[in-house]
Amino acid sequence: DAKTTQPTSMDCAEGRAANLPCNHSTISGNEYVYWYRQIHSQGPQYIIHGLKNNETNEMASLIITEDRKSSTLILPHATLRDTAVYYCIVLTQGGSEKLVFGKGMKLTVNP
Amino acid sequence: DVKVTQSSRYLVKRTGEKVFLECVQDMDHENMFWYRQDPGLGLRLIYFSYDVKMKEKGDIPEGYSVSREKKERFSLILESASTNQTSMYLCASSWGQFYGYTFGSGTRLTVV
Repeated sequence: DAKTTQPTSMDCAEGRAANLPCNHSTISGNEYVYWYRQIHSQGPQYIIHGLKNNETNEMASLIITEDRKSSTLILPHATLRDTAVYYCIVLTQGGSEKLVFGKGMKLTVNP
Repeated sequence: DVKVTQSSRYLVKRTGEKVFLECVQDMDHENMFWYRQDPGLGLRLIYFSYDVKMKEKGDIPEGYSVSREKKERFSLILESASTNQTSMYLCASSWGQFYGYTFGSGTRLTVV
C-alpha cells in the first residue's frame, strides 16, 4: 500500500516557485515526511524532512498541514537543474523501516 | 561532503557469471543499502546492513547476496547472473533515516 500520493508530473517556469504536493492521509503520529529527488542518471538526493513544523534549508522549504495529511515541497526559484523526479516518503524516525520509494513526480522546469 | 562511490558506472556480464558490485562510503556511516531501479518499478530494496558482518534481506533478495567485512564497504553479489538482473544498481549509506540517505551514482549492469 502506497503511503503517499503525488501527481505524476508537473511543469514549472524557470525562476518561479515550484510547489510540489504530496498526500499522506494515513500518516501516523511518529512518522516523518521525507523528500528526495533523482536527477536523470544519478542516484537519489536527500532534500529535506519534517514531522509537523515547517522546515527550510538551503535547498527547499517543506510545509506540512496542521492535520499532517498533506505537505508541499517548495523550491523558491526553480532552475533547469531542478528538473528531476521528486519522491515524497513517510517514515518512522529511528525505526527499522527502510526508505521505500514510490513512483514519485516528474518536475520539468522550462526555460 | 559524504561520498558514496560505486566501483563501476557501466558493466556488461554474461549469463551465469558471478558478479561483484562494490560500494564504498567515506563518512563512517553505520547503515548501507543496495537498491535496484527499473523503469516502471521504481527503486526496490535488495539488501541492507546496519553493522559490519550484519545483513538483512530487503524486498527482493532472491538471486543476490551481500558482504560487509568492513564498515565502509558493502558488496552486492550476483551468484549467477541472469538477464532479468539487468538493471541500475544503487548503493546508499546513512547514520540513520533522520539524517537522510546518501546515494552513489549507480552501476548500470547489463547481463547478456
